[in-house]
Amino acid sequence: VIWMTQSPSLLSASTGDRVTISCRMSQGISSYLAWYQQKPGKAPELLIYAASTLQSGVPSRFSGSGSGTDFTLTISCLQSEDFATYYCQQYYSFPRTFGQGTKVEIK
Amino acid sequence: EVQLVESGGGLVQPGGSLRLSCAASGFTFSSYEMNWVRQAPGKGLEWVSYISSSGSTIYYADSVKGRFTISRDNAKNSLYLQMNSLRAEDTAVYYCARDQQLVPYFDYWGQGTLVTVSS
Repeated sequence: VIWMTQSPSLLSASTGDRVTISCRMSQGISSYLAWYQQKPGKAPELLIYAASTLQSGVPSRFSGSGSGTDFTLTISCLQSEDFATYYCQQYYSFPRTFGQGTKVEIK
Repeated sequence: EVQLVESGGGLVQPGGSLRLSCAASGFTFSSYEMNWVRQAPGKGLEWVSYISSSGSTIYYADSVKGRFTISRDNAKNSLYLQMNSLRAEDTAVYYCARDQQLVPYFDYWGQGTLVTVSS
């Protein structure tokens, strides 16, 4: 099993801030990592796959980086609609695993 | 437009059974691998099970192995999850999620169906 450590679990920020979320793997996964955004009462939505490729329709203020064991999701200029919970997920091997989630809340 | 619509959730007693369905539309269902992912109230996401496009390859999370069975009917564009010996810790919103065709991240999700296991 590939264990994932996502941090922080809670991030308080203001509109316009640059925020960074980290995801660390217990073993290397190349670039087989995705990021999802989830708003309350809604299903998750894909933001980024292959660690750094933006899903179609996702604003360019979102970016992903990393490979191997350390990955980062960055939101360059936080907008009101970005306050949500974010999850990383590895698809390198089964069982597919998710990070614990990072809730981005209004400061 | 890709659509995944889950159904079959509800209240069930511990030890009981429930069958979830996911109706797919807007894409060639028989060409895609599918998954079930769940989320306990106030908690994070947990992958539950995977089935290949033909149904020949199946994987389960250890937490449900031996109790849950994933299946699909490509003629009906439907995915299923048979859940037996349900426990309180199986209480969650269950989502069906499609694997992207070439690289298996979850590119589309249903809206979810709530399963509550309680006496």
